[in-house]
Amino acid sequence: DADVTQTPRNRITKTGKRIMLECSQTKGHDRMYWYRQDPGLGLRLIYYSFDVKDINKGEISDGYSVSRQAQAKFSLSLESAIPNQTALYFCATSDSGYTEAFFGQGTRLTVV
Amino acid sequence: GQQVMQIPQYQHVQEGEDFTTYCNSSTTLSNIQWYKQRPGGHPVFLIQLVKSGEVKKQKRLTFQFGEAKKNSSLHITATQTTDVGTYFCAGQGNQGGKLIFGQGTELSVKP
Repeated sequence: DADVTQTPRNRITKTGKRIMLECSQTKGHDRMYWYRQDPGLGLRLIYYSFDVKDINKGEISDGYSVSRQAQAKFSLSLESAIPNQTALYFCATSDSGYTEAFFGQGTRLTVV
Repeated sequence: GQQVMQIPQYQHVQEGEDFTTYCNSSTTLSNIQWYKQRPGGHPVFLIQLVKSGEVKKQKRLTFQFGEAKKNSSLHITATQTTDVGTYFCAGQGNQGGKLIFGQGTELSVKP
């Protein structure tokens, strides 16, 4: 089983719908991140959490919200999806301090 | 806020040619990491540089961290088709904070 699991892997949704992307990890890491990937724009940070009680906005948080339900779970919500939120979304985790990040397999979201 | 810029966006090379991607930060970094994303895959950690002027090698890959800890480079010698993918740098500010990625360089290798 993967250490960082994202669900769903693919999703097509309609404009205006609320959608939740889920991430769970078995690595026991405190830090979790949500990124979106768009061609030519790289990986942009949406939200990050350094522990269960810590939630921080990233570079592009507008239109998104998150919930850290437990150390192992970090969910990303789009309250009212719009077409320009069509992208590949990655969850990542890392241990505290200067350590590598481990990524999930990604969720490909299409908003029509 | 902290920004990390990476160039070039794309690089097409003939197998056997060398390849270099460059990364620049708007602020001094505490460390820089490099990742590789194969087509259709997810980013996978390659290496981390922490010290000013640090140079590390992994087989044909050479990683450098600038003296001012604001820039970095990845050089691949004699590319192979297995090197195909997108290479990302990612920097952390003071105290090991949030991880900010560059735009990535997509490498294609023609056999």
